[in-house]
Formats: sequence, structure tokens, C-alpha cells
Amino acid sequence: DVVMTQSPLSLPVTLGQPASISCRSSQSLVYSDGNTYLNWFHQRPGQSPRRLIYKVSNRDSGVPDRFSGSGSGTDFTLKISRVEAEDVGIYYCMQGTHWPPTFGQGTRLEIQ
Amino acid sequence: EVQLVESGGGLVQPGRSLRLSCTASGFTFGDYALSWFRQAPGRGLEWVGFIRSKPNGGTTEYAASVKGRFTISRDDSKSIVYLQMNSLKTEDTAVYYCTRGSYNYWGQGTLVTVSS
Repeated sequence: DVVMTQSPLSLPVTLGQPASISCRSSQSLVYSDGNTYLNWFHQRPGQSPRRLIYKVSNRDSGVPDRFSGSGSGTDFTLKISRVEAEDVGIYYCMQGTHWPPTFGQGTRLEIQ
Repeated sequence: EVQLVESGGGLVQPGRSLRLSCTASGFTFGDYALSWFRQAPGRGLEWVGFIRSKPNGGTTEYAASVKGRFTISRDDSKSIVYLQMNSLKTEDTAVYYCTRGSYNYWGQGTLVTVSS
């Protein structure tokens, strides 16, 4: 299975400041069709996960533009330009290129 | 509005069976693959398995941890996807979520607790 490694695992951030989460895969996530199936999810306490980003850099409908995804191959990044209170929770990267789909360990974002 | 509602969770003894349902609305159910994920208490997310749409064969794939014990099926006439869980183990204790297609819609989850 493809191993997804996130860092940091804990991310204290001041309101209004930027935040960045790294995700690395144990093998390239470029699929034979040329797409890279790397997703980012956000899970607030007590809620279901919500997909934020698909195929590396595409924001889902309703996701604020302060969220952005980038990267290629095996290295990916989720950035929040200015953290707001509603951004607390756990962020997961997930690859859908190789079977089975696998997740990173999660990064807990908290307001300091 | 797309909605996915899981049901059927509860407390079950090790070795017993349980069937979860996920009832969908707000989209053409038969056009989409459906997946099941789970999240053990205080832990991360794990993919359990999925079922393709009938036009794409309606076939299934499973995680190694559940293969041979869990079965996913679908009833397109009722817009329901099922997760039949047999020979349950304590490590199957988790909140189980169903999702549509490429995971852009999730249900609220249903808790399965396997304990004697």
C-alpha cells in the first residue's frame, strides 16, 4: 500500500496567520491517465470529513479561496493563507491513484 | 441537495454480524460508485471498500483488513448501499461512513461497537 506521511502532526496557529501542511507519498501519485489523485479533507470535531481539494489543487464548491493545494509526484502541500477560527480540526491527505486508497495520519490544527 | 444517511450501527458481540445501510437522495444513485470508510475512536480514516456503478460492472473492492468478512451491495431501485459485516472483531469498532463517487459527499456516520 502507498504510505502517506503528513507533517506536522500538530499545528498551533495564530488567527490571521498562514498555515501549511505537508504530505508525502511513498510512490508517485501520477496515474496512467496523467492525473494526480491527491485529495485533502478537513474534519471538525464530531463531524464527518469534508473534501476541500481534489486532484492536488482543485477547490471543492464552497471552499474559501484562502485554501490552496499544490505539489506533484510525491510531495504535496495544503496552505491556508489566513487561518480563521472555523479552520480548527484535523486535516488529512488521501491518495486515490493506487489501490487501496490511503490516508495520511492527520494534522491537528489548533488556534494558539 | 445530495444526502447520504447511514443506519444500522450498534453494539454487537465479537463473531456476530451486522448490516449497515446508506440511503441516498438528491442525485441519480445508479450513476455513481459508492464507498465505505471507517474511523476507529480517536484514530484516522480508513477505506473499507467500494462498489462500482452497474454500468461499470457493479463490482466491488475491499481493504485487506475486511476482505472475506465484509460484503458491499447496492439496490439502485431504493438508492441504498449496504455493508454486510460478518465475523466481527473488536478492531472493527468504528464510525462507518458512506461516500459518493470521488468522496465529495459523506454521510454523518453510524457507530459500530464490537464488544462482549
